[in-house]
Amino acid sequence: DAGITQSPRHKVTETGTPVTLRCHQTENHRYMYWYRQDPGHGLRLIHYSYGVKDTDKGEVSDGYSVSRSKTEDFLLTLESATSSQTSVYFCAIMASGGEQETQYFGPGTRLLVL
Amino acid sequence: AQSVTQPDIHITVSEGASLELRCNYSYGATPYLFWYVQSPGQGLQLLLKYFSGDTLVQGIKGFEAEFKRSQSSFNLRKPSVHWSDAAEYFCAVGARGGSYIPTFGRGTSLIVHP
Repeated sequence: DAGITQSPRHKVTETGTPVTLRCHQTENHRYMYWYRQDPGHGLRLIHYSYGVKDTDKGEVSDGYSVSRSKTEDFLLTLESATSSQTSVYFCAIMASGGEQETQYFGPGTRLLVL
Repeated sequence: AQSVTQPDIHITVSEGASLELRCNYSYGATPYLFWYVQSPGQGLQLLLKYFSGDTLVQGIKGFEAEFKRSQSSFNLRKPSVHWSDAAEYFCAVGARGGSYIPTFGRGTSLIVHP
């Protein structure tokens, strides 16, 4: 499982409130990712990071921000949650180097926005 | 840019029957190729991957996949399906040369009848 944890694992919140999801890894991988998974849409990339303080947008970044102040932690923030952000959120890391460029995923966070 | 197609949204098989899940990709060179499995309520688990060499790749849980360059395919197979194989299966393609953002197919849901 590449030492990836996500917290919280489940969250219920109300529209308009801020929400922060945390991804923690124990193996110092440079690349980290946030995806959302919704029925009929598969996995969609929200943001990714290629190092401390280095982040970039994915295909569905509107309404989300990220921060990475330490190698091991990658935070996803919904500044003002909306019902359309109800989803399952997965963090991933990429083991890299030569032919090791493989993504490994965390267990997911189920977010319900009421 | 690379792309991935999983033509089958759902596949139903009987327990003990053989299985083949299809994956077609589009990429200008030989890509990195992956299959992941997602059990209900779980994260994505890597089943197997292809980087180079032998085009028949063995994975965990008795799965294998074959890279066919001429057909741009990387189909997943298992000779005898178990009820516990019921899950969502995702094919993914990564670009050589360090884009570090794999592309995922929409997934195939496997239903296993007793």
